Amino acid sequence: DTGVSQNPRHKITKRGQNVTFRCDPISEHNRLYWYRQTLGQGPEFLTYFQNEAQLEKSRLLSDRFSAERPKGSFSTLEIQRTEQGDSAMYLCASSSTRGGTRGGEQFFGPGTRLTVL
Amino acid sequence: QKEVEQDPGPLSVPEGAIVSLNCTYSNSAFQYFMWYRQYSRKGPELLMYTYSSGNKEDGRFTAQVDKSSKYISLFIRDSQPSDSATYLCAPLYNFNKFYFGSGTKLNVKP
Repeated sequence: DTGVSQNPRHKITKRGQNVTFRCDPISEHNRLYWYRQTLGQGPEFLTYFQNEAQLEKSRLLSDRFSAERPKGSFSTLEIQRTEQGDSAMYLCASSSTRGGTRGGEQFFGPGTRLTVL
Repeated sequence: QKEVEQDPGPLSVPEGAIVSLNCTYSNSAFQYFMWYRQYSRKGPELLMYTYSSGNKEDGRFTAQVDKSSKYISLFIRDSQPSDSATYLCAPLYNFNKFYFGSGTKLNVKP
C-alpha cells in the first residue's frame, strides 16, 4: 500500500459545470476526511466518514457539495454548478481508530487542485 | 474569532538555527495538539502530537503546550534546509474534526 491516492491531481472546469473527485484511502483505515485548502491557508474541514457513514459535515459544505463512501473504501466528492470561489486544493485524509490510535494520525493524499474559470 | 491563530511568516533562518513556531487557540476544550509539516504541492504529514499540557521531544523537534495561556509551540533544533516547509498546528478535542492553523512558512538557508 503506497498511501492515500487522489484523482485527478488537477481539474480545470468552467463555472457551472459539475466535477467529481475520488479518494482511495489506506486500505485498513476506517476513517476518511475531506478538506479544502486555499493558498496561504491551512486545510479547512469539510466532512468525514467512519466506514460508510458520513458522521459530520462542516457548514462550509453547501448543498452543491456531496460526498459518498458507498462501501467504506474509496470516497467521492462532487461539486455541482461550480463557482469561481470553489477553486482550491481538495485534500483527502484517512486514519484508523483501531489498535488504540483513536484516529489521531491522519495520512493525507496529494490533493486535487481545482480551477474554476 | 478563529479557532486557531498562527503567524504566516515567512520565517527565514540560517542552517543550524533553533526555530520557534507558535500558535494560539481559543477553545479551552482542546486537549490534543498536533503539528503537521507540508511541503509545496504535497499533502500535510503529521510530525508529532501531544496530549494536554507539557513537552514532548522527538529527535530535533520539541512540542510544547501551555493550556493556561492557550499557546502551542514547536521548536526545531539544528534546522536543516530540508526542514523548509509550511508548519501547521492543529488543536482538537476529539478525532472527529480537525482545526488547522493557517500555517507558518519556514525557509532554512544553507
